[in-house]
Amino acid sequence: QVQLVQSGAEVKKPGASVKVSCKASGYTFTSYDINWVRQATGQGLEWMGWMNPNSGNTGYAQKFQGRVTMTRNTSISTAYMELSSLRSEDTAVYYCARVGATVSSGMDVWGQGTTVTVSS
Amino acid sequence: QSVLTQPPSVSEAPRQRVTISCSGSSSNIGNNAVNWYQQLPGKAPKLLIYYDDLLPSGVSDRFSGSKSGTSASLAISGLQSEDEADYYCAAWDDSLNGQVFGGGTKLTVL
Repeated sequence: QVQLVQSGAEVKKPGASVKVSCKASGYTFTSYDINWVRQATGQGLEWMGWMNPNSGNTGYAQKFQGRVTMTRNTSISTAYMELSSLRSEDTAVYYCARVGATVSSGMDVWGQGTTVTVSS
Repeated sequence: QSVLTQPPSVSEAPRQRVTISCSGSSSNIGNNAVNWYQQLPGKAPKLLIYYDDLLPSGVSDRFSGSKSGTSASLAISGLQSEDEADYYCAAWDDSLNGQVFGGGTKLTVL
């Protein structure tokens, strides 16, 4: 079945970086964009950016420009999201999600989420 | 402050119908498709409606979406206790060049 499986929970100190992985299976990884979305406890969804696994092209939300990097390894059908200069406000659940045929198709497959805790 | 505006909460009795509104602008809802997501407690979001009013395979036809101008709505008929969840609208924003979400609406089935 089509699924995205994310890496496990992380605990980081302020100023450090975190890299979350998202492994795709059940479909052709390079045929669909991957979005990253995060959610702080008790808060709403926040879009971080997108990546085209075929070309490697990316687009980031202005809020995260300069701090986020989205990459992929097509040989293992895995997308990565690295967030640097972590602060306590980055404590959240991070989701990867597959985008359908176009951005208007919505995010039709989601990973299970990765909890990132930033604490000294 | 979210770019798309939703009511924080709505409530209705079982078997009744409820609507959730989502208000935006010409740079997002007015010019791009609206998608809706359902998030059950402790779970990842799930695509509920795409392209304004289309249902993904497997989604109950008790859910429906509509759009007019810069506003969109999600309707849920025949409410069931299992519908208790947070609901989010989303759309691409041409000015921000990114996806934007509503703040989310918590649905309580009384």
